[in-house]
Amino acid sequence: DTAVSQTPKYLVTQMGNDKSIKCEQNLGHDTMYWYKQDSKKFLKIMFSYNNKELIINETVPNRFSPKSPDKAHLNLHINSLELGDSAVYFCASSQDELPNVGELFFGEGSRLTVL
Amino acid sequence: AQKITQTQPGMFVQEKEAVTLDCTYDTSDQSYGLFWYKQPSSGEMIFLIYQGSYDEQNATEGRYSLNFQKARKSANLVISASQLGDSAMYFCAMRDALIIIQGAQKLVFGQGTRLTINP
Repeated sequence: DTAVSQTPKYLVTQMGNDKSIKCEQNLGHDTMYWYKQDSKKFLKIMFSYNNKELIINETVPNRFSPKSPDKAHLNLHINSLELGDSAVYFCASSQDELPNVGELFFGEGSRLTVL
Repeated sequence: AQKITQTQPGMFVQEKEAVTLDCTYDTSDQSYGLFWYKQPSSGEMIFLIYQGSYDEQNATEGRYSLNFQKARKSANLVISASQLGDSAMYFCAMRDALIIIQGAQKLVFGQGTRLTINP
């Protein structure tokens, strides 16, 4: 059983299109994240939700809209895709209720290529 | 702002040798956490080891140990008896303690070090 699963794993699309990446975790964690890894392998946090509530919202264009229908799911919708959006997007989850703060469990990543 | 620096873009090591991957950090917080993650060529991110800023002992997990030198603000990863399967990108990351209170943690990652183990 995959702990954090993302779909699709690969996504190739044209500039200007709208696309979504879905993420589900079966670890019972309260907190989920989206991270972006660019072509130089640099990883940066985009968003974090705790029990469906937005906690972290980094400086991300508002073309990116996360949605958490329940605490086991966190989806990422991207409008009007641009070339610079090409990256690997990682979903992650963790249990962040003090005092038990654990490591992030990452999904396998979704490689988005914008042509 | 917190910052993580990994100064070794790439390292080449003979199989069975020990290897140290460098990581320095910059923070004004007293409470923080340090992580190492491995990313093999398949792309997934694998948690290796964690060190809390108040932990007095260096963390160890099997062949991985973290050489934590708080005064120098360094958190180097040591892999003993390296294996071919250790070839991967390795990322050092720091956690901002304050965010945890709100129910989430923010990890700041270094640039990564690509480790290649030669047979």
